[in-house]
Amino acid sequence: DTAVSQTPKYLVTQMGNDKSIKCEQNLGHDTMYWYKQDSKKFLKIMFSYNNKELIINETVPNRFSPKSPDKAHLNLHINSLELGDSAVYFCASSQRQVAGETQYFGPGTRLLVL
Amino acid sequence: GESVGLHLPTLSVQEGDNSIINCAYSNSASDYFIWYKQESGKGPQFIIDIRSNMDKRQGQRVTVLLNKTVKHLSLQIAATQPGDSAVYFCAENWDTGRRALTFGSGTRLQVQP
Repeated sequence: DTAVSQTPKYLVTQMGNDKSIKCEQNLGHDTMYWYKQDSKKFLKIMFSYNNKELIINETVPNRFSPKSPDKAHLNLHINSLELGDSAVYFCASSQRQVAGETQYFGPGTRLLVL
Repeated sequence: GESVGLHLPTLSVQEGDNSIINCAYSNSASDYFIWYKQESGKGPQFIIDIRSNMDKRQGQRVTVLLNKTVKHLSLQIAATQPGDSAVYFCAENWDTGRRALTFGSGTRLQVQP
């Protein structure tokens, strides 16, 4: 019954590796997002997709590549992981990508790069 | 750049007291605001929202106040309970085509039994 789900919940990996995080929403929403939360709890938008189309691509290294196979899924692939990529990554979704639409968040993926 | 909120402060209250969590925003074009609650190890959870054409909105035990003159947002929690202990974030949205939420840095609420 989870509205927005992410896998894995925890991810520990070595520098230089490539990893993926998956997100799925069963709310029927059109728009999905990836946020990064740093150690100071600051949440920052990374990407958003609306109906599988990339809408927002913030200043994120091109080692990060989102992929949306359908509007219920938004995955995040990270190449050549660096220590600074350690953070909690949250997926979110909203009904439409307009101002005033509530975003619903997943439980987060805790990434630790060693 | 413009930002929402302050550095992460901590508010400690006694169980049963009312809590007020404040947030300052700097983008006068913001037209939608949300308060989220984030418990340890979980994702942000929607609490209440308010649009810029309103000054006040009430939910169950929570009230959000918006003062556009001073660009201030507050969340009031009545009869605070231990389960209210969490980090609270305000977030804003403005119509620039981005449609993404800009989050403040959050306030940690600790409820003492």
